[in-house]
Amino acid sequence: DAGVIQSPRHEVTEMGQEVTLRCKPISGHDYLFWYRQTMMRGLELLIYFNNNVPIDDSGMPEDRFSAKMPNASFSTLKIQPSEPRDSAVYFCASQPRGPEEFFGPGTRLTVL
Amino acid sequence: AQKVTQAQTEISVVEKEDVTLDCVYETRDTTYYLFWYKQPPSGELVFLIRRNSFDEQNEISGRYSWNFQKSTSSFNFTITASQVVDSAVYFCAFGGSQGNLIFGKGTKLSVKP
Repeated sequence: DAGVIQSPRHEVTEMGQEVTLRCKPISGHDYLFWYRQTMMRGLELLIYFNNNVPIDDSGMPEDRFSAKMPNASFSTLKIQPSEPRDSAVYFCASQPRGPEEFFGPGTRLTVL
Repeated sequence: AQKVTQAQTEISVVEKEDVTLDCVYETRDTTYYLFWYKQPPSGELVFLIRRNSFDEQNEISGRYSWNFQKSTSSFNFTITASQVVDSAVYFCAFGGSQGNLIFGKGTKLSVKP
């Protein structure tokens, strides 16, 4: 298995632009998580899905952030409009019914 | 609410020294899991170990060992005979009934030759 796949690996954009981050979880995993990592706040959970249904989005910072999981093999995290304070590494992770999460390589987002 | 505390922000050791990374957690759950992840300079998160709350046996894997003590709510990680390649940020994480992981702030370990 290729593991969790995230794209792009690096994204540089200008303030106000829309950004879409993509994630392909490991096949057969029921859960999908989006995390954000910054120096100031560490690793924070943004949202997670169970069987494609959003379960907890309380970590989504504000309405500019949205996440979808249209099917079991794909999820997106969208920021619109982006701001410099959104600069961070965004990780996607998937989990089978057991407790271990498998992380993707992350997307490093820089908003100028 | 669950919480994970890694009190050591940074640790610096010389190669071949032993080093222990501390992790303390808070929870009212009776069933939970504890994890350690390594984040090397390249940035990916590498799974190291998972323990469930009913198994307090210590675990050893090569130079790595983990000490889980429910009485003190601690899950400490020891690297024996550290090497430069061990330099990384190490995260302790808690997995409870909610499904997601709660991470500590991480401990940055620098191993100098």
